[in-house]
Amino acid sequence: DQQVKQNSPSLSVQEGRISILNCDYTNSMFDYFLWYKKYPAEGPTFLISISSIKDKNEDGRFTVFLNKSAKHLSLHIVPSQPGDSAVYFCAAIDLNFGNEKLTFGTGTRLTIIP
Amino acid sequence: NAGVTQTPKFRVLKTGQSMTLLCAQDMNHEYMYWYRQDPGMGLRLIHYSVGEGTTAKGEVPDGYNVSRLKKQNFLLGLESAAPSQTSVYFCASGDPAETQYFGPGTRLLVL
Repeated sequence: DQQVKQNSPSLSVQEGRISILNCDYTNSMFDYFLWYKKYPAEGPTFLISISSIKDKNEDGRFTVFLNKSAKHLSLHIVPSQPGDSAVYFCAAIDLNFGNEKLTFGTGTRLTIIP
Repeated sequence: NAGVTQTPKFRVLKTGQSMTLLCAQDMNHEYMYWYRQDPGMGLRLIHYSVGEGTTAKGEVPDGYNVSRLKKQNFLLGLESAAPSQTSVYFCASGDPAETQYFGPGTRLLVL
């Protein structure tokens, strides 16, 4: 049972436009969400996160939006740059005691077209 | 400050052989994790540790064992490798609610 879902395996966006990556979750106990970025032959790196008490968090070109009622979050990258081409993983965690692990989605491969 | 390192980077095993993957971190983190990444499956947690001497099962623990004898090291063992364990293995350390730092990965091929 996939608790964190990224339904788009791939996405292509023109350089300079907005990239929107989506993520859905089913576990209402998740209270913290993160995005990781992964280049080929490297380990994932942390990008941005959001607490369930917020609906938006912004860091430079990256903004994450959380819609708790829809159990949906999205990552916006604007403007998109060629270096943003990577696989993006959505992850979630239940911070209650005994839940010290992330649950990852299957990833979305973003390709920025010059 | 090397962060998270993994040894080896690449390995080929025959079915039934055993091996140990080593993960080392120099950030004094309590939490350490082993994941595997397979096409279309994302990152799946194998085992994790919340401190020296502790281990816990993740989502896909069967066929693997782990040990955390020292805080800085987390070992992943395959006692009898199977072709289904062909994958890329990532180690990570750090508080999952803050940032997890990942190693560069170990590519394992089981024939």
